[in-house]
Amino acid sequence: DAGVIQSPRHEVTEMGQEVTLRCKPISGHDYLFWYRQTMMRGLELLIYFNNNVPIDDSGMPEDRFSAKMPNASFSTLKIQPSEPRDSAVYFCASRRDTQETQYFGPGTRLLVL
Amino acid sequence: GESVGLHLPTLSVQEGDNSIINCAYSNSASDYFIWYKQESGKGPQFIIDIRSNMDKRQGQRVTVLLNKTVKHLSLQIAATQPGDSAVYFCAENWWSGGTSYGKLTFGQGTILTVHP
Repeated sequence: DAGVIQSPRHEVTEMGQEVTLRCKPISGHDYLFWYRQTMMRGLELLIYFNNNVPIDDSGMPEDRFSAKMPNASFSTLKIQPSEPRDSAVYFCASRRDTQETQYFGPGTRLLVL
Repeated sequence: GESVGLHLPTLSVQEGDNSIINCAYSNSASDYFIWYKQESGKGPQFIIDIRSNMDKRQGQRVTVLLNKTVKHLSLQIAATQPGDSAVYFCAENWWSGGTSYGKLTFGQGTILTVHP
């Protein structure tokens, strides 16, 4: 079975540009999570969805960040405008409704210059 | 100026030794715990989990111990191999007010280095 798929794997952009990160969860999984990982703050939960509905976005840093899940097989995390402090690895994870184990994608390494 | 970041605990062992990685969790109401392994450049990978009604659970070469009295979790790796070198995270299923938030809260991680 395919795991969580994220794209792009690497993104380099300039400050002020819009960045869109994409995630395809494991088929049949009801929950989708977006995390950010940095050396400074470790692994932080940004937002999560259940059945395509955002449940908790309290981890989203500020209004420059937005996330959508238009259907069960696709989600985006958008940063507009991007800033150098947004540089991090962004992970998407998914799980079934009946289990707590989350399965992570390979991550998107973002560098904002 | 000097940057300040997370100072992750580190554990260095020789190949073939047993490793023990410890984790203190924060929420006494947490009922599910999980260990992840993260290799360089990859996402966290599930290793083993345990529910709060258990004290011990064994997998292949790994054992998780749970001490609810002191809110402590440990991961034991038997016959550690160089391929076990990674950052190990514990996570707890977060409950509050009788409701599961459906999310995991992660620890900061421990760096395990295995020397051949």
